[in-house]
Amino acid sequence: TQLLEQSPQFLSIQEGENLTVYCNSSSVFSSLQWYRQEPGEGPVLLVTVVTGGEVKKLKRLTFQFGDARKDSSLHITAAQPGDTGLYLCAGGPMGGTASKLTFGTGTRLQVTL
Amino acid sequence: DTGVSQDPRHKITKRGQNVTFRCDPISEHNRLYWYRQTLGQGPEFLTYFQNEAQLEKSRLLSDRFSAERPKGSFSTLEIQRTEQGDSAMYLCASSVRDYGNTIYFGEGSWLTVV
Repeated sequence: TQLLEQSPQFLSIQEGENLTVYCNSSSVFSSLQWYRQEPGEGPVLLVTVVTGGEVKKLKRLTFQFGDARKDSSLHITAAQPGDTGLYLCAGGPMGGTASKLTFGTGTRLQVTL
Repeated sequence: DTGVSQDPRHKITKRGQNVTFRCDPISEHNRLYWYRQTLGQGPEFLTYFQNEAQLEKSRLLSDRFSAERPKGSFSTLEIQRTEQGDSAMYLCASSVRDYGNTIYFGEGSWLTVV
């Protein structure tokens, strides 16, 4: 069974601070997605990374896929209240159904003024 | 709106009743997925279709659960004889086959069994 562990589970910071969320596994994944989810809504895709060592930037968000494709990180610069939400990482399996994702348990971020 | 749509968004039902959820995927997507998410957890895979064929089912999908995608377009997920443990958000997602493992979720259908 493939497991993805996210840390921290909860994070409360003030506007303007930087933060990093980690997603770790002992398994190798073919790809890694990051989603953000608002209460009562479905997850919204932020980014997909598919190559070991890949770095993608989306405005103030920087995503990195580990060289060994077992881990990933999400870094937010100068957090804003609109960044508040549940951040989920999800891995696509090697050799299995390409889009059957394994999700982490999530990191709940709260950004206050 | 051309995203994945789900109906109903919320359903409260008494234990033992049957419920059905509908999902309309993004029109050009041939893969459709059902996931379940309970409070404080990430989504868990239930099943997926490629066109009208149901290709994989999770062990989470007990005999009381059945999913169909009769014409390869919309899908339904039926839960028979609901139990309180079925209370969760049921998420539908769709994708183009094997395109970077990227799937797009709908807004979910909340089920509360009382």
